Amino acid sequence: GAVVSQHPSRVICKSGTSVKIECRSLDFQATTMFWYRQFPKQSLMLMATSNEGSKATYEQGVEKDKFLINHASLTLSTLTVTSAHPEDSSFYICSAPFGGTQETQYFGPGTRLLVL
Amino acid sequence: GDSVTQMEGPVTLSEEAFLTINCTYTATGYPSLFWYVQYPGEGLQLLLKATKADDKGSNKGFEATYRKETTSFHLEKGSVQVSDSAVYFCALSDLNAGNMLTFGGGTRLMVKP
Repeated sequence: GAVVSQHPSRVICKSGTSVKIECRSLDFQATTMFWYRQFPKQSLMLMATSNEGSKATYEQGVEKDKFLINHASLTLSTLTVTSAHPEDSSFYICSAPFGGTQETQYFGPGTRLLVL
Repeated sequence: GDSVTQMEGPVTLSEEAFLTINCTYTATGYPSLFWYVQYPGEGLQLLLKATKADDKGSNKGFEATYRKETTSFHLEKGSVQVSDSAVYFCALSDLNAGNMLTFGGGTRLMVKP
């Protein structure tokens, strides 16, 4: 199947700093990628849809100025958590669809963010 | 809107026991259905999928059949192993919703030796 990578896998930062998370589709192109957030022992919550060449689409309740998304190329989307605070600590996961008319979402391994 | 409901966990089984995790859905269109598995500390991996009614997805001994009449996609395995311990997510993808995934709440499976 298709492979999606994320970097870094784990990051610890101080409150007030910004953190950038990269999501790459390694063997296919993705005009759309999705960013999710997962709290401990909970399901995934869709944060936004990243669109190559245009602005991201954010879900209701997600602050676009807080979570900056840039889809720089057909294989790379970045999520920047600006001025991170402890409540932003979470597991962030991206996905990209692959497979044409029967496309399937392939997920990255996730990035665990801990804000001190 | 679309929604997915799956049985709450945790589900605790002994090794070699039979597994069923129930999943039902509501959708306005004709969705594709998926089961994803998440091992501790990792992202989601696609386990199996079915794209139309009566399709059966299967992988690693797991099976699920797309039942349109009961709007269900129950996950089954005849004999679980300790290594199957993980969280299982049922999900649907609706073309009418831009192929975004709608997830169930997840079911934690714990298999004891």
